[in-house]
Amino acid sequence: AAGVIQSPRHLIKEKRETATLKCYPIPRHDTVYWYQQGPGQDPQFLISFYEKMQSDKGSIPDRFSAQQFSDYHSELNMSSLELGDSALYFCASSLGLNPLTGAYGYTFGSGTRLTVV
Amino acid sequence: DAKTTQPPSMDCAEGRAANLPCNHSTISGNEYVYWYRQIHSQGPQYIIHGLKNNETNEMASLIITEDRKSSTLILPHATLRDTAVYYCIVRPGTGTASKLTFGTGTRLQVTL
Repeated sequence: AAGVIQSPRHLIKEKRETATLKCYPIPRHDTVYWYQQGPGQDPQFLISFYEKMQSDKGSIPDRFSAQQFSDYHSELNMSSLELGDSALYFCASSLGLNPLTGAYGYTFGSGTRLTVV
Repeated sequence: DAKTTQPPSMDCAEGRAANLPCNHSTISGNEYVYWYRQIHSQGPQYIIHGLKNNETNEMASLIITEDRKSSTLILPHATLRDTAVYYCIVRPGTGTASKLTFGTGTRLQVTL
């Protein structure tokens, strides 16, 4: 079965550079969520999109932005990177308003490991 | 979303049942209990969810107390591959696009 695809798997950037992370949800899933997980930390919710509109916002820095495109894939753009942005970034997808599929929870991708040097 | 409380760590011998408790005393009527796990640096994996009845699937069983203030995830025959951090999460409904809020979870170590 198709899963959530994230690219790239690994990314190394220097301070003050920009990074773009991509997420391709499971086909027919209309909701995408982004999470950040620092070393030794639990996943922290950043932002979500339902039907290409922002649906919720968590502790996402102003330097970060995200969007969901017409094909439902999503991109997380990170500018002016700081050392503290080094983390695993997970994307998850679900059928947002489907009472059946939504009942089985989200499906997470394998993550993008961002290292800022 | 209601907060949950889990023990930080537990050990379990391989082949034995692992019983992971979770307290969610402030859960509201429309909130479900979800369990996810995260094997080292992998994406969190859905395990099971329930509202008020006990649930079972191919991975685990979920026992929810009658007052819904606590629950227990049961892995009937733990294997080394079940070593992971287990998260108990409560969130509204099954048909809403609401986020999962991860707490600190329980680090389960399965040993030989």
